Amino acid sequence: DAGVTQSPTHLIKTRGQQVTLRCSPISGHKSVSWYQQVLGQGPQFIFQYYEKEERGRGNFPDRFSARQFPNYSSELNVNALLLGDSALYLCASSLLRDGYGYTFGSGTRLTVV
Amino acid sequence: DQQVKQNSPSLSVQEGRISILNCDYTNSMFDYFLWYKKYPAEGPTFLISISSIKDKNEDGRFTVFLNKSAKHLSLHIVPSQPGDSAVYFCAATSQGAQKLVFGQGTRLTINP
Repeated sequence: DAGVTQSPTHLIKTRGQQVTLRCSPISGHKSVSWYQQVLGQGPQFIFQYYEKEERGRGNFPDRFSARQFPNYSSELNVNALLLGDSALYLCASSLLRDGYGYTFGSGTRLTVV
Repeated sequence: DQQVKQNSPSLSVQEGRISILNCDYTNSMFDYFLWYKKYPAEGPTFLISISSIKDKNEDGRFTVFLNKSAKHLSLHIVPSQPGDSAVYFCAATSQGAQKLVFGQGTRLTINP
């Protein structure tokens, strides 16, 4: 079975640009969460979607948005990129709505220059 | 507000010896704790977990201990192997919460 897949694996953007990151969950998983991992720190929660509705939001500015599609895949959008947005963005999927049993993808490495 | 803390950024252990990784938390609402292992260029991989109703959980070479009164948990790896070299993250959550709260991670290096 395929795990959680994320695309692209790497990308470089310029300050002020917009970026869209994509995630396909494990088949049958209805919950998708997004985390940001800055170098030297642990992952920080950004969003959780369950059954296509936002169920949780972390302490991130409104420049960050996400959505979940009918096939349970998800996109994370970040507008007006700042240098500080440079990070590894991780997607995790789960059968359940709560914080148990997450499987993480390998992440998208975003570099803002 | 760092609710989950791993105070040791790095740890070096001889192959075959015990590795002990520590984690402290401040939120008494946390009732489920997890350890993840992360290799470079990969996402975190689930290792072992423990519910707050237990004080110990064992899976092969890995054992997690939970001390609720001290709000402290630890991961023991015995015996340590070179393939265990990675960054280890402690994470916590609570029933009904939609997120995991991670510590900063500890880089474990197993020396031959």
